[in-house]
Amino acid sequence: DAGVIQSPRHEVTEMGQEVTLRCKPISGHDYLFWYRQTMMRGLELLIYFNNNVPIDDSGMPEDRFSAKMPNASFSTLKIQPSEPRDSAVYFCASSLKRGFGDTQYFGPGTRLTVL
Amino acid sequence: AQSVAQPEDQVNVAEGNPLTVKCTYSVSGNPYLFWYVQYPNRGLQFLLKYITGDNLVKGSYGFEAEFNKSQTSFHLKKPSALVSDSALYFCAVRDIDTGFQKLVFGTGTRLLVSP
Repeated sequence: DAGVIQSPRHEVTEMGQEVTLRCKPISGHDYLFWYRQTMMRGLELLIYFNNNVPIDDSGMPEDRFSAKMPNASFSTLKIQPSEPRDSAVYFCASSLKRGFGDTQYFGPGTRLTVL
Repeated sequence: AQSVAQPEDQVNVAEGNPLTVKCTYSVSGNPYLFWYVQYPNRGLQFLLKYITGDNLVKGSYGFEAEFNKSQTSFHLKKPSALVSDSALYFCAVRDIDTGFQKLVFGTGTRLLVSP
């Protein structure tokens, strides 16, 4: 399996622009997670889905952030409008529900820079 | 609430020496613990997990972790460090309060292995 795929790997944009990050989970996995990593705040869970349905979005920082999962093999995280403080590495992860030992597998991340 | 603490921001060790990266946990029930490693410009990679059973858990790349219930610790160890082990290491615990699928990550420990 190719693992979790994220695109783009790097994104540089200007303040106010819309940014869309993409994720393809591991085939057959039924959970998908979006994380953000910064030096100041470490690794934060933004939102996660189960069978394409958002379960917990309590980590989404503001209304400027939105996430969708239109099907089992694709998810997007959108920031509109973007701000410099959104600069971070955004990770997508997926897992297969089997029990307490479910392991999350991470993608390579998207490094977002908002100027 | 479930939490983990990584008391050391950085651990320095010489190549060939044993290494330990510390993690302590606080849970309201049974602990389900994980270790991940992050190499520069890469996503988090799963190393090992403790669910139940033997207190010594063996994982990838020669790493192992020792679960100690009385000390509420889950330290990561390796008998002989390699320069290529230099990376950022995260301990995590399953968040059984808010959903079994969520993981709560520590702040990370940077491991530097010198030649």
